[in-house]
Order: sequence, then structure tokens, then C-alpha cells
Amino acid sequence: QVQLVESGGGLVKPGGSLRLSCAASGFTFSDYYINWIRQAPGKGLEWLSYISGDGTAIYYADSVKGRFTISRDNTKNSLYLRMNSLRAEDTAVYYCAREGRYSSSPHFDNWGQGTLVTVSS
Amino acid sequence: SYVLTQPPSMSVAPGRTASITCGGNNIGSKSVQWYQQKPGQAPVLVVYDDRDRPSGIPERFSGSNSGNTATLTISRVEAGDEADYYCQVWDSSSDRVFGGGTKLTVL
Repeated sequence: QVQLVESGGGLVKPGGSLRLSCAASGFTFSDYYINWIRQAPGKGLEWLSYISGDGTAIYYADSVKGRFTISRDNTKNSLYLRMNSLRAEDTAVYYCAREGRYSSSPHFDNWGQGTLVTVSS
Repeated sequence: SYVLTQPPSMSVAPGRTASITCGGNNIGSKSVQWYQQKPGQAPVLVVYDDRDRPSGIPERFSGSNSGNTATLTISRVEAGDEADYYCQVWDSSSDRVFGGGTKLTVL
């Protein structure tokens, strides 16, 4: 079955950096767009970034453009999110989510369980 | 940027029908997805492309979309349907966009 497992979250000081990972299994990883989505405590979902299956198409939300970098290693079935210049407002649970195929519009058909990032001094 | 507006909360009695709305400018021209999120869990896709259901999602969950409003309808509501529900679309200017979410309480 499809499985996505995030890791790498933790406590980091403002201005610091962190790299999140998402390990995928149960499907042909290189065939799918994968996204990062976050959820601040008690708040709604915020889409952050996507990367295409071959890594050639990448897009970011304005809120993280220039600070976050998405990447993937299809040989390791893994997705990454490098986060720099972290701010208190980046505190959230970070999810990786697979995009469904054969649809007229991007949608997220499988999600990981999330990893918590806390930015605080 | 494209904005999706959802009521923050709503309540419904068991066995009744819940209709959760998602408003957006000409949203009827877009494909709408709906996600269910229970406390402490990751979201789950319940409707995509306005009205299609992934395998395993009960027929009680249905969607519609027209004009400036999309609607997720949950028939014969059960206690286990209590959750937060989010709509989502793709927009050419904002890319992937979520609504603010609706907390559904089953009385």
C-alpha cells in the first residue's frame, strides 16, 4: 500500500535551518508529483511546494519562495524540503502528499502522518 | 491570489444531511477537491474533480459545484463524520489553494 513517512522535524531557533525528508513506498515514486503542505497549530492547511516526478518542474508558494527548497532522489524514493531563515510563523506540522493522476486538477490522494517543526528561541 | 471561503463551523444531528460550502470567484469553472481531517490525523481525500470519490469513501459523501459555490454533502451523518473539512482547487495565479476549513460537529 502507498506509504509516505516524514522525518526531520524538531526545535530550531529563528534564523536557523532544517531539512525534512519524506520516504515513499508502495508505488512507483518517479511517476508522481509530490507536494509539501503544512498546518500551523490550530490552523488550516497551507500548500507550500510541488516537484514533478522527474524533478524538472518545481513551484513554491510566495510565503516560502526563496527560503525553502524542494528536491527529490528517485533512486532512494525520497523527497526533501530544505528550510532556511526559519521564522516563528513557520511553526507547523509539515506533510508530504502525493498528487493523484488521471484527473483534471491537482489533488492529494495520499498523505504522510506529518512531522512537527517548532521555531522558537 | 485566489481565495476560497468556508464557514468556520457547522453542526448537524446524526442521521441528517450536512452541506458544507466553499465559495470562490467562478469556482464552478474549476475542479474542487474535499478533504476530511480528524483530530491528530492527516487529511484524507473524500471527493475530487467536484464529485468523484476515491475508493473506500462511502457514497454518503458527494460533491457539487456551480457558479461561485462548491458544496460537499454528507448524507445520513454519523458520529464518525465529525472532523474538519477543507476544499481545494488549482488556480493559475495561486496554484494549489485550500479553503480555511469547516469544523463539523455532530450533535
